[in-house]
Amino acid sequence: DAGITQSPRHKVTETGTPVTLRCHQTENHRYMYWYRQDPGHGLRLIHYSYGVKDTDKGEVSDGYSVSRSKTEDFLLTLESATSSQTSVYFCAIRRPDFNEQFFGPGTRLTVL
Amino acid sequence: GQQVMQIPQYQHVQEGEDFTTYCNSSTTLSNIQWYKQRPGGHPVFLIQLVKSGEVKKQKRLTFQFGEAKKNSSLHITATQTTDVGTYFCAADGGSQGNLIFGKGTKLSVKP
Repeated sequence: DAGITQSPRHKVTETGTPVTLRCHQTENHRYMYWYRQDPGHGLRLIHYSYGVKDTDKGEVSDGYSVSRSKTEDFLLTLESATSSQTSVYFCAIRRPDFNEQFFGPGTRLTVL
Repeated sequence: GQQVMQIPQYQHVQEGEDFTTYCNSSTTLSNIQWYKQRPGGHPVFLIQLVKSGEVKKQKRLTFQFGEAKKNSSLHITATQTTDVGTYFCAADGGSQGNLIFGKGTKLSVKP
């Protein structure tokens, strides 16, 4: 599928702990996105990146930070996880000259 | 901010029946995309519509973009169990290729 992997695929953590999710792509595309998916809410954009060290906030960015030090990696960090951040997290990329996005397999995060 | 409303939220059909999901916006859209997500899977791009009144077909799937570019629909003829999943529309968010997703229509098909 567009060479996108996410790690970990599943994680259970406790409230207050830091969590980092990783998105890795093999095709060196410029644009990368982090979404969360919750029942009844569809897909909501958390943060996105349009190049190395170039990131911006999406619709639901509170409580999340991101970093992109290399083209191929886009990290999503929950500094202090809360139960409201229990969700499925998807990373996506957009290829140049195409408008559609290609999604990774997702990470299911449970915060107890 | 811009919102895209999608209805219905759920649709249960008997195999062989038709299915339609609708996407509406209060503002004119530059384009609209459709994605399918199988249970337990990730969203997969189906198609993009750009022109006013555009109609595109993919086998049993027919996609339409309204004349005013404020609404779109996905119609599936004679559903099959392989059509099960959630269908999302997504509109151009206007910045860096961002997309605004509808909340999706979850389709279940009874054999």
